[in-house]
Amino acid sequence: GENVEQHPSTLSVQEGDSAVIKCTYSDSASNYFPWYKQELGKRPQLIIDIRSNVGEKKDQRIAVTLNKTAKHFSLHITETQPEDSAVYFCAANGGSARQLTFGSGTQLTVLP
Amino acid sequence: DAGITQSPRHKVTETGTPVTLRCHQTENHRYMYWYRQDPGHGLRLIHYSYGVKDTDKGEVSDGYSVSRSKTEDFLLTLESATSSQTSVYFCAISESWTGDEKLFFGSGTQLSVL
Repeated sequence: GENVEQHPSTLSVQEGDSAVIKCTYSDSASNYFPWYKQELGKRPQLIIDIRSNVGEKKDQRIAVTLNKTAKHFSLHITETQPEDSAVYFCAANGGSARQLTFGSGTQLTVLP
Repeated sequence: DAGITQSPRHKVTETGTPVTLRCHQTENHRYMYWYRQDPGHGLRLIHYSYGVKDTDKGEVSDGYSVSRSKTEDFLLTLESATSSQTSVYFCAISESWTGDEKLFFGSGTQLSVL
């Protein structure tokens, strides 16, 4: 099956700085890589996704990059704000069932 | 937010008792999923359904069963609850195969097994 590893598990940044979260996956057949944000006590919500036919995708202050050769993808948040504080999960759709396998999550804290 | 309702929102039960969690959707999406969320493990797939009466196992299906008799309802049953099943359970739906499609999550059920 698919194995997704996510680092770091916790990340603290000063407001206005950038944050980077990295994930690696094991199944080279994976072709869809979403990122979900979960605020405290809330449900996970999709914030951005990327497919294997592109190397980078941006949406305002967030961007995702994908390196298929190395089998890793990253989430970049620029100009961080307090409302960016949350747990972020990466995922990949490898494995025989082609279901999403999630990483273990990153707790991002943006310090004022 | 997509129309997904989970019930109950919180439940405390004793070891060995049966427990059923319900997920109800109003989006008429074909695919429905049950995940559990535990610290350090992210979201792990328990079971999923790709249509009425069509279900399959996920990564952590032992000790759980599911049923889907109507498009809108997906039930998760713990036949005999154990303390290791204390977790937050999320239902999710997608319009098409989750492999490359957005998941919409419910609000979650906090289950405590004492």
